[in-house]
Amino acid sequence: GENVEQHPSTLSVQEGDSAVIKCTYSDSASNYFPWYKQELGKGPQLIIDIRSNVGEKKDQRIAVTLNKTAKHFSLHITETQPEDSAVYFCAASPNTGRRALTFGSGTRLQVQP
Amino acid sequence: NAGVTQTPKFRVLKTGQSMTLLCAQDMNHEYMYWYRQDPGMGLRLIHYSVGEGTTAKGEVPDGYNVSRLKKQNFLLGLESAAPSQTSVYFCASSLKAHRVGSRSYEQYFGPGTRLTVT
Repeated sequence: GENVEQHPSTLSVQEGDSAVIKCTYSDSASNYFPWYKQELGKGPQLIIDIRSNVGEKKDQRIAVTLNKTAKHFSLHITETQPEDSAVYFCAASPNTGRRALTFGSGTRLQVQP
Repeated sequence: NAGVTQTPKFRVLKTGQSMTLLCAQDMNHEYMYWYRQDPGMGLRLIHYSVGEGTTAKGEVPDGYNVSRLKKQNFLLGLESAAPSQTSVYFCASSLKAHRVGSRSYEQYFGPGTRLTVT
C-alpha cells in the first residue's frame, strides 16, 4: 500500500518568513495530493491540492509543487502570519477504487509574531 | 448546509463496553470514510463506504464495525472497547463523480469525536 512520509514534524518561523513542508510517497499509482490544515480541536480542512498532470499550483500565499519522477511534493507558504499556525498534513490517493487518503504524520507550524 | 457532523463529541468508555459513533452529511456525497488520529501518526483509515448499503475495510479495521443504511449516515461501532482504541475519530465524505473545474476529489471532515477507553 501507499506510504507517505512528511518532514519536518515541527517548524517555527518568524512572521513574514516562508515555510516549506515536504512529503514523499511510495505508490506510483497515486495521482492526487491534497494538503490539509488542522486547527486545535477541529477536523482537517483542505487548503490546496494538486493532481499528477500538474507540476505546480498556487493560491495566493500558498503553493504546492509536485515531482512525480522523484515521488515528492511540497507545500510552500509565503509571508506567514500568526493565523497560519496549525498542524499541516499532506496526503496521497489514487483517483480510482476507494480513493481513500493516506496521510503523512503532520507538521506543527508555529508562526512567531 | 451543516456539512459533516459527528455525534458525540466526547466519550469515555470502560474496557469491554460498546458504543456507536454517528456521522451525518447533508451534501449528498456517495463516499464516506472513518479515520482515527493518534499523536504523531496522522490519520489512518478504519472503514469506508462507496455508496448506500456498501462498506469495506481500510488499513486498521480490527475491533470496529460499520454500517451505511442511509446515504447520509455512516455509523462506526465498537463492540468491546479496548484502551488501544483511545483516539480521536474523524468522519469524512466526498463526491463520487469527477466534475471538471470542481474540487470533486475533496474530502470534507467532521469535527471529530474524542474517545477515551479506560
